[in-house]
Amino acid sequence: QVQLQESGPGLVKPSETLSLTCTVSGYSISSGYYWGWIRQSPGKGLEWIGRIYRSGNTYYNPSLKTRVTISVDTSKNQFSLKLSSVTAADTAVYYCARDRPLSGGYHDFDYWGQGTLVTVSS
Amino acid sequence: SYELTQPPSVSVSPGQTASITCSGDILGDKYASWYQQKAGQSPVLVTYQNNRRPSGIPERFSGSNSGNTVTLTISGTQAVDEADYYCQAWDGSTVLFGGGTKLTV
Repeated sequence: QVQLQESGPGLVKPSETLSLTCTVSGYSISSGYYWGWIRQSPGKGLEWIGRIYRSGNTYYNPSLKTRVTISVDTSKNQFSLKLSSVTAADTAVYYCARDRPLSGGYHDFDYWGQGTLVTVSS
Repeated sequence: SYELTQPPSVSVSPGQTASITCSGDILGDKYASWYQQKAGQSPVLVTYQNNRRPSGIPERFSGSNSGNTVTLTISGTQAVDEADYYCQAWDGSTVLFGGGTKLTV
């Protein structure tokens, strides 16, 4: 059974960098698939942040691209998110998920972590 | 950029059929998925590639598409189906999510 678990600080100060790690169990990142981050502001909908492949190739939401870095550590079976220059608008539950590419140039998310709330406040 | 539009809320009586729509220009030639998110939980994939269902998802969940609209249909809706539902598509470079629909049973 594939499981994902987010970890990282729950409180970040404005203008600083948010850093989260997703640890994957039950599946080796080196075996394939993409690995992604999605967030959900309180009471709001889902927003895709970006994805990474085992090779390190990344794809980001254009609206966040200048502030986002996603990296992968296959030796630890983990991937990570860094979001710089955060503001209160970045307060959200951050989810990591397995990004599944299917035929027809299509992606969806078949396994999700439980999510972690990150609050941006001084 | 593309957008996916969902109704904010849908109400259905237990045992009846619920239909939740998702509209967007990108849906004319792209697949869509649907996710169920219960209060305080992570989203769960309930249909993908428009009309396929992951293992473990009840048969009462089905998806369809017509032109620029995809529809999630829940037949014989149960109280446990009360949740937020999100459609999702991929435009070739970006993942898109609809704004979500709150299903009240």
